Amino acid sequence: GAGVSQSPSNKVTEKGKDVELRCDPISGHTALYWYRQSLGQGLEFLIYFQGNSAPDKSGLPSDRFSAERTGGSVSTLTIQRTQQEDSAVYLCASSSSTTSPGPQETQYFGPGTRLLVL
Amino acid sequence: GDSVTQMEGPVTLSEEAFLTINCTYTATGYPSLFWYVQYPGEGLQLLLKATKADDKGSNKGFEATYRKETTSFHLEKGSVQVSDSAVYFCALARGGYNKLIFGAGTRLAVHP
Repeated sequence: GAGVSQSPSNKVTEKGKDVELRCDPISGHTALYWYRQSLGQGLEFLIYFQGNSAPDKSGLPSDRFSAERTGGSVSTLTIQRTQQEDSAVYLCASSSSTTSPGPQETQYFGPGTRLLVL
Repeated sequence: GDSVTQMEGPVTLSEEAFLTINCTYTATGYPSLFWYVQYPGEGLQLLLKATKADDKGSNKGFEATYRKETTSFHLEKGSVQVSDSAVYFCALARGGYNKLIFGAGTRLAVHP
């Protein structure tokens, strides 16, 4: 079946502009995650959505970052007033996990959006 | 807080050599442990996982055993191929906390 898809695959923007990144999770997956992969910081967790629960935003680096998930499926990550340090690959993942403690369900990753802020 | 430490790369090997990439973790409770691989130009893929102590994950000739006593999850392969050249990430996820915490990644280059 179809995997996680992300768009655009590449985005070049000017400092100070807003950008929106989109993620389509695997059909039926209730959990959705955003991560960021950058040279200086490695792979970092940003935000996690699980069903209709309040999202875990603990990884968002500043209030310029926000994300929403509409209808329990597609998610959009928005970065306002972009800065050069926001340049990175933004990865989306989905899984069928629940909030119950225990063995974690596998997270399946999309190909990422490569963001370059000039 | 929770963390994962991997051996620094790059690791350069000849084809058919034995591979070990060390990974240790710090976490409370009993996390699940993962190895993800990123081939050149591709996205992250799950390579293998283990969810409890003494479990062995295996896939594509790679193996890793969950060692609680040494808080380790070292990745091994008996005979690497050129096609194994990639970046390998060790990661953990703690029960009830679904985010993955990744190590810094280890780049593997295999030469013919």
